[in-house]
Amino acid sequence: QKEVEQNSGPLSVPEGAIASLNCTYSDRGSQSFFWYRQYSGKSPELIMFIYSNGDKEDGRFTAQLNKASQYVSLLIRDSQPSDSATYLCALGGGSKFYFGSGTKLNVKP
Amino acid sequence: DAGVIQSPRHEVTEMGQEVTLRCKPISGHNSLFWYRQTMMRGLELLIYFNNNVPIDDSGMPEDRFSAKMPNASFSTLKIQPSEPRDSAVYFCASSPLGAGVLETQYFGPGTRLLVL
Repeated sequence: QKEVEQNSGPLSVPEGAIASLNCTYSDRGSQSFFWYRQYSGKSPELIMFIYSNGDKEDGRFTAQLNKASQYVSLLIRDSQPSDSATYLCALGGGSKFYFGSGTKLNVKP
Repeated sequence: DAGVIQSPRHEVTEMGQEVTLRCKPISGHNSLFWYRQTMMRGLELLIYFNNNVPIDDSGMPEDRFSAKMPNASFSTLKIQPSEPRDSAVYFCASSPLGAGVLETQYFGPGTRLLVL
C-alpha cells in the first residue's frame, strides 16, 4: 500500500464548476498536509497546507482534513481553465515526507 | 528572493559517466530536500537535510547515488556511474525554520537528466 493514494484522473470539469480532489493516506503519524499544483514541465508549487481537522479556506480553494478517516481533500470553486494542472497531495511527519502521484485536472472552457 | 536555484537545468550524458547536480536553497532555510520525478514512479523523496545534516536518506535508490551539503547555501547530488534508468527530473526544495517535513517546501526549477 502506498503511503499516499490519489486517483490519477483525469478529472474533467466545466468552467465555473467545483472541482473536488481527494487523497487518502496510511501513516497516522502524519502531522502536516499539503496540496501542490504542478503545471506540465514545471515544478510543484504550494497551494495550501492544513494541520488541523476541519476546513481551511483560501480564496477559491478549500482544504479539508479528516485525520480519523485519514483523508484530505481540495475543493476548487469557480474552476478556471488556468486551474488545469496536476494536483499533488503531500504529507509529512517525523522525518518522513510523501507525495501522492497526483490527480490531473482538466477544466473545459 | 531568488528562490531555489538548480544547475544545470538540462543534462545529457552517456551511461557510466558521473553526473553532479547542484542546488542553492533559499537563504535562511534550514532544510533541503532532493526529489526525483518520473512518469512511472511520480515524485520520490531521495534525501532530506536539516541544518546541513542528512536526516533521512532512505529514498536514495542505491550506492551509485550520494548527496552532500557542505554548507547552508549549497548541496550536490551525485550519480556515479549513471545508468539510463536514472533519467528523470531531479528537484531540489528547501523549507524554513528547521522543522523540515512539517513546513512548506519551495521547489527549484528542476534538472532534466537524460542518460543515454
